[in-house]
Amino acid sequence: GIQVEQSPPDLILQEGANSTLRCNFSDSVNNLQWFHQNPWGQLINLFYIPSGTKQNGRLSATTVATERYSLLYISSSQTTDSGVYFCAVEYIGANNLFFGTGTRLTVIP
Amino acid sequence: SAVISQKPSRDICQRGTSLTIQCQVDSQVTMMFWYRQQPGQSLTLIATANQGSEATYESGFVIDKFPISRPNLTFSTLTVSNMSPEDSSIYLCSVVVQGAGEQYFGPGTRLTVT
Repeated sequence: GIQVEQSPPDLILQEGANSTLRCNFSDSVNNLQWFHQNPWGQLINLFYIPSGTKQNGRLSATTVATERYSLLYISSSQTTDSGVYFCAVEYIGANNLFFGTGTRLTVIP
Repeated sequence: SAVISQKPSRDICQRGTSLTIQCQVDSQVTMMFWYRQQPGQSLTLIATANQGSEATYESGFVIDKFPISRPNLTFSTLTVSNMSPEDSSIYLCSVVVQGAGEQYFGPGTRLTVT
């Protein structure tokens, strides 16, 4: 069946540290997005990245579609980076996103 | 991008009652979706809201429990019917903007059923 697995499930970082979050998916995709859900529940788009690499400030993402994984890099983490990071994929033949299990990030000062 | 508003932002309801959640978008969108996020869990798609026709429901969700309307390209409602405590969740409206691949989410409606 459809699987989108994220690792690690939980991550605690000291402010200023770097981290890598991983998303593995089980089939070919049309669409892959990374979201940050802040402590108030709002989902914020980080990247639309079905393939390749993108950067936005301290964040960057890489998707290797042929190997069915995506990575989200957070550099120089800040306390405002805390929250849950979700990877979501749209499989070929579908028209909606299927969400991964999420990574809960806590950045401590 | 799209600016999405949802009403109400939160509510506390009694068992057996129904609540209708509204979703309004500031631009015409191709697709509108409704998701549920149970406490501490990931997001699960309830249904795709189709303009002018019946919604398309995912496995485990039925129209009698979650009736959905979408009268035009910028507005949709989700009703949670005959509520039980298990319906306590965040309900999120989501859209895909015309000509783009990204999906955007509203702020969510936090529902507690007592």
